[in-house]
Amino acid sequence: AQSVTQLDSHVSVSEGTPVLLRCNYSSSYSPSLFWYVQHPNKGLQLLLKYTSAATLVKGINGFEAEFKKSETSFHLTKPSAHMSDAAEYFCVVSEGFQKLVFGTGTRLLVSP
Amino acid sequence: EAGVVQSPRYKIIEKKQPVAFWCNPISGHNTLYWYLQNLGQGPELLIRYENEEAVDDSQLPKDRFSAERLKGVDSTLKIQPAELGDSAVYLCASSLSEGTGELFFGEGSRLTVL
Repeated sequence: AQSVTQLDSHVSVSEGTPVLLRCNYSSSYSPSLFWYVQHPNKGLQLLLKYTSAATLVKGINGFEAEFKKSETSFHLTKPSAHMSDAAEYFCVVSEGFQKLVFGTGTRLLVSP
Repeated sequence: EAGVVQSPRYKIIEKKQPVAFWCNPISGHNTLYWYLQNLGQGPELLIRYENEEAVDDSQLPKDRFSAERLKGVDSTLKIQPAELGDSAVYLCASSLSEGTGELFFGEGSRLTVL
């Protein structure tokens, strides 16, 4: 069965500094991987997805993630954090687009 | 375009009482999902519908939970009777049946069982 492990429950950064949210996956097959974001009292929103095309995936709001098969990782990065990036981020794996398995989430805190 | 609409946003009930949540998906989305999100956890799938058919309900506790999607549009999730451990956020999502992996989520219904 597929699964994801988000290595940090909380990440704190200062505004303008880089963001790194870590995710490792486990899958028997070639997985599809996603990052979703959840702002307080808002619905989850897709940030980006990897589906076996380019290994570096660009998403919305300046985020990107790199698929590394050798490391079974799919870390999310952003060069410069903004206050509005403060939210909960979920790494998600799927072996078919219809069934998504979510990680436990990483809360990103951004200080001025 | 309207997003996924859920109601109620908040519900507080006593244990053993029934509760129901309603979801209206995005127009044209044939696939509808109900997820359970416990505090500090990621969402977990309860049930997935393709039109009116429940195609994956393996994680739905069928002794107390039920769901329906009449006419393949709106859906209702019911719990009867509710237990203390059911306190959580119930999320509804929808997607195109072609399966891009992009789910559109509602804001959720937060249930507190006292």
